[in-house]
Amino acid sequence: QQPVQSPQAVILREGEDAVINCSSSKALYSVHWYRQKHGEAPVFLMILLKGGEQKGHEKISASFNEKKQQSSLYLTASQLSYSGTYFCGTDQAYSGAGSYQLTFGKGTKLSVIP
Amino acid sequence: SQTIHQWPATLVQPVGSPLSLECTVEGTSNPNLYWYRQAAGRGLQLLFYSVGIGQISSEVPQNLSASRPQDRQFILSSKKLLLSDSGFYLCAWSVRGTQLGNTIYFGEGSWLTVV
Repeated sequence: QQPVQSPQAVILREGEDAVINCSSSKALYSVHWYRQKHGEAPVFLMILLKGGEQKGHEKISASFNEKKQQSSLYLTASQLSYSGTYFCGTDQAYSGAGSYQLTFGKGTKLSVIP
Repeated sequence: SQTIHQWPATLVQPVGSPLSLECTVEGTSNPNLYWYRQAAGRGLQLLFYSVGIGQISSEVPQNLSASRPQDRQFILSSKKLLLSDSGFYLCAWSVRGTQLGNTIYFGEGSWLTVV
C-alpha cells in the first residue's frame, strides 16, 4: 500500500524551515527517507524503526509517531543544496519475515531559492 | 564498504531494438536486487526484484525481463523496445534477512531514450 506524502511541492527561501509528511493507513515496520537531486539517483538519508523515534542528520531530522503510521521529515534553516525530491519508503515487515521491498510515496519536490 | 555499479549511464535506442542494462554489487553477498524505473518527473516504479540467483519476481507486466546469473549481478533486458520504455532505470540492492528494515541503496542510474 503506497504511503501518502504531503505536500506534493514546496518552495522555500534560504533559511526557512519545511516539514514533509508520510502517512500510512496501516502500522509500518520502518520508514526510510531519500533525497533525489535532479538527474541523479535517490540517496538514502535515514531510517526510523521505533514508534516515537526521532533521528537527525545535520539540519535534517525525522520522527516516527507512536502508532508507527506517520513520519515527518524536518528541514531547518534550509540551504540551496536541500533542493530535490524527497521520497519516503515504507515496509510492513523486515526481509527475514518475507518482505523484500519498500513501497515509495510519490515524492515531495522541494525548491530552495536565494 | 558496499558499492553498486550499473551501465551504461546513457543510451539512445531505436524502437524495436534490444536492450541490456547491467548491474553489479560489490562488498556484500546474497543481496536482494531490484530494478526500478522512473519516468520524467515521476515516482519510483518497481519492475523486478530478486532474492537469489535465478529467482526473479516481476511487479509490472511489460516487454522487459530480468535475470540474475550470479549472486551480485542483475541484468535488465528487452527484445524489442517501445517508446514508452524511455526513462531513468535504477538498479538497487538491500541486505537480505536483516531486522533493520529493507533499506534500499541505488546505483547511479541509466538514462534510456527510445526514438
